[in-house]
Amino acid sequence: DVVMTQSPISLPVTLGQPASISCRSSQSLVYSDGNTYLYWFQQRPGQSPRRLIYRVSNRDSGVPDRFSGSGSGTDFTLKISRVEAEDVGLYYCMQGTHWPLTFGGGTKVEIK
Amino acid sequence: EVQLLESGGGLVQPGGSLKLSCAASGFILSGSGVHWVRQASGKGLEWVGRSRSKANNYATAYIASVKGRFTIFRDDSKNTAYLQMDSLKIEDTAVYYCSLGWFDLWGQGTQVTVSS
Repeated sequence: DVVMTQSPISLPVTLGQPASISCRSSQSLVYSDGNTYLYWFQQRPGQSPRRLIYRVSNRDSGVPDRFSGSGSGTDFTLKISRVEAEDVGLYYCMQGTHWPLTFGGGTKVEIK
Repeated sequence: EVQLLESGGGLVQPGGSLKLSCAASGFILSGSGVHWVRQASGKGLEWVGRSRSKANNYATAYIASVKGRFTIFRDDSKNTAYLQMDSLKIEDTAVYYCSLGWFDLWGQGTQVTVSS
């Protein structure tokens, strides 16, 4: 199975400051069709997960533009340009290229 | 409003069975793939399995740890997907979510507890 490794595990951030989460896969996530099936999810406390980013860098409808995704191959990043209070929660990357689908272990974003 | 609503969770003994439902409203579920994802208390997300769309014959896939014990199936007349869980183990205890397509819509989750 493809192992997804996220870092850091915990990310204390000052309001208004940037934050960055890394996600690395044990194999390339480029599929035979040329697409890279790497997703980012946010899970606020007590809520279901919500997709933020699909296929590396495409922001979902309603997701603030302070969220951005980048990367290629095995190395990916989720950035929050200016953290707001509503961004507190867990963030997960997930790969959809190889079966079974696998998630990263999660990164907890909290306010300092 | 487009939404997914899970139900059917509860407390069951090891070796028992449970059937979870994922009811869709506001759209036709048969046109989309459906995934089941679980989350043990205080832990991360784990993909459990998926059923492709009707056009793809509802083809299924599962993680190794549930293969042969869990089954995903659909009832188009009820616009609902199901996760039939048999031979349940303590380690299956988790909140179970259904999710649409490529995870662009999630349900609220339903708690499954396997304990004697």
